[in-house]
Amino acid sequence: NAGVTQTPKFRVLKTGQSMTLLCAQDMNHEYMYWYRQDPGMGLRLIHYSVGEGTTAKGEVPDGYNVSRLKKQNFLLGLESAAPSQTSVYFCASSGGIQGSGANVLTFGAGSRLTVL
Amino acid sequence: SQKIEQNSEALNIQEGKTATLTCNYTNYSPAYLQWYRQDPGRGPVFLLLIRENEKEKRKERLKVTFDTTLKQSLFHITASQPADSATYLCAARSYNTDKLIFGTGTRLQVFP
Repeated sequence: NAGVTQTPKFRVLKTGQSMTLLCAQDMNHEYMYWYRQDPGMGLRLIHYSVGEGTTAKGEVPDGYNVSRLKKQNFLLGLESAAPSQTSVYFCASSGGIQGSGANVLTFGAGSRLTVL
Repeated sequence: SQKIEQNSEALNIQEGKTATLTCNYTNYSPAYLQWYRQDPGRGPVFLLLIRENEKEKRKERLKVTFDTTLKQSLFHITASQPADSATYLCAARSYNTDKLIFGTGTRLQVFP
């Protein structure tokens, strides 16, 4: 059982280049999230999705776009990368707030992105 | 704005002692508090959840408390071991949102 898989694990970009981070989960979770983690800043929510075909903005959405065309996949896109987007990106999924309401997250291993 | 605050200074303790980590929240009334463990180069892993109507939860050597008066959660690891060394993250969610807000985490170092 793979859980949450992120690709790629590492990437170096030049300013202005575009790229897509892919997140895949095999737990049939409804909710999926993209966070970025920077030293001293903790995990900050970029965008999230509460189901296939839905997306919503988090705390720091500027410069990023997302799509959830299939329930198991959540893509994070950078159209024109900037040095300020150098970070470690984490994808997470959960069964949502129904039932127990706990919304416990299962995280991927992270994708380290450097923008030069 | 809503804030979850954890001590940014590392906590160093001796093996066998109890480690206590603090999570404070401001401008916020979370319905749930969660604690995660994160090892270097890895994603966070869920440990424990506590609801606002619960005072205390336990799981093996772990204990978490939730004090809505003090606006604080405490996370305890009893009989700590070097393998417990990691960064511990607190996260909170209120009833009317799908989102978890995370603290910056506290690094715990357990030395033999």
